[in-house]
Amino acid sequence: DAGVIQSPRHEVTEMGQEVTLRCKPISGHDYLFWYRQTMMRGLELLIYFNNNVPIDDSGMPEDRFSAKMPNASFSTLKIQPSEPRDSAVYFCASGPLAGGGTDTQYFGPGTRLTVL
Amino acid sequence: GQSLEQPSEVTAVEGAIVQINCTYQTSGFYGLSWYQQHDGGAPTFLSYNALDGLEETGRFSSFLSRSDSYGYLLLQELQMKDSASYFCAVRWDDKIIFGKGTRLHILP
Repeated sequence: DAGVIQSPRHEVTEMGQEVTLRCKPISGHDYLFWYRQTMMRGLELLIYFNNNVPIDDSGMPEDRFSAKMPNASFSTLKIQPSEPRDSAVYFCASGPLAGGGTDTQYFGPGTRLTVL
Repeated sequence: GQSLEQPSEVTAVEGAIVQINCTYQTSGFYGLSWYQQHDGGAPTFLSYNALDGLEETGRFSSFLSRSDSYGYLLLQELQMKDSASYFCAVRWDDKIIFGKGTRLHILP
């Protein structure tokens, strides 16, 4: 299996621009997670889906952030408009139901976002 | 609220054994997970304790005691490649909580 695939790997944008991060989970996994990691705040769960349905989005910072999962093999995290404080590494992870779902997660390589 | 506490840093010598603790102030969770993250890399899953007791996977073992609100990750025969950050995590109801991570430094 190719593992979790994220794109782009690096994104540099200017404040106010829209940013879209993409994720392809491991085939057959029922759960998909979006995380943000910074030195100051550590690893933060933003939102997660089970069978394409959002379960917990309490970690989404504000209305500028939105996430969708239109099908089992694709998800997006969108920031509009972006701000410098959104600069971070964004990870997507997926997990199998058989492995506990939310307890066994496989992370993608991450997208390093820099907002100028 | 719910939180996980880990030491921020631990230092050990190559070949030795080190224990990384994780304590929590929540109850009713679904077990304890551990992840490893090297600098510049992504977290990778190490182990999951669904029940109290010790789980062993090669050089790594993980322990959970719900009554003591305590768990730990044990790394044996330390190698330089084990230098990384280690995170504990729990699922509580529909919430997933990660600790702040423990940075493991290994001396030759």
